[in-house]
Amino acid sequence: QAVVTQEPSLTVSPGGTVTLTCGSSTGAVTSGHYPYWFQQKPGQAPRTLIYDTSNKNSWTPVRFSGSLLGGKAALTLSAAQPEDEAEYYCLLLYSGAGEVFGGGTKLTVL
Amino acid sequence: EVQLVESGGGLVKPGGSLRLSCGASRFSLSDSWMSWVRQAPGKGLEWVARITSKAHGGTTEYAPPVKGRFTISRDDSKNTLYLQMNSLKTEDTAVYYCTTDHKYWGQGTLVTVSS
Repeated sequence: QAVVTQEPSLTVSPGGTVTLTCGSSTGAVTSGHYPYWFQQKPGQAPRTLIYDTSNKNSWTPVRFSGSLLGGKAALTLSAAQPEDEAEYYCLLLYSGAGEVFGGGTKLTVL
Repeated sequence: EVQLVESGGGLVKPGGSLRLSCGASRFSLSDSWMSWVRQAPGKGLEWVARITSKAHGGTTEYAPPVKGRFTISRDDSKNTLYLQMNSLKTEDTAVYYCTTDHKYWGQGTLVTVSS
């Protein structure tokens, strides 16, 4: 089974910009992996921010955006707010081989 | 608003079985790709199983750790998703979430496998 890698932790200043990445052990991440990004706060269920690389749900704050960057999926947070402090997970779909979550990135806004 | 509600979690001994349910309101599960995702205490998210929409044949797929032990299914008449879990192991202890198209999520149900 593929391994999906994320930065274990990142820190961003309030109002600052940070990019989280999501890599695959099988090679470059492409749109064919349909990358997802989820936000999870302690004691809560995950919330879907981004699907299919860069598409947003109606509840996704405009300061979040998804893309492909250097062979990885990327989630960029611009103008970070204190309420953005959370764990962020990416998910990649592998044709005929299921789905794999990354290990998560703990984002601190400080 | 779409609501998903999981049920059926609890304490079970190793080797035992449990069936989880996920009911939906204001949404037809048969039109969606449905998944079960779990989260062990203090750990990250882990994809468990998926069933495609009725239009895509309702095919199923499983993560290697649960393949052969877990079965995902759907009862369209009850608009309910299931996860039959057999031969449970202590490492199956987790909160189990159902999710539709990885867009809407339930609040989860806790499964504890312990003697």
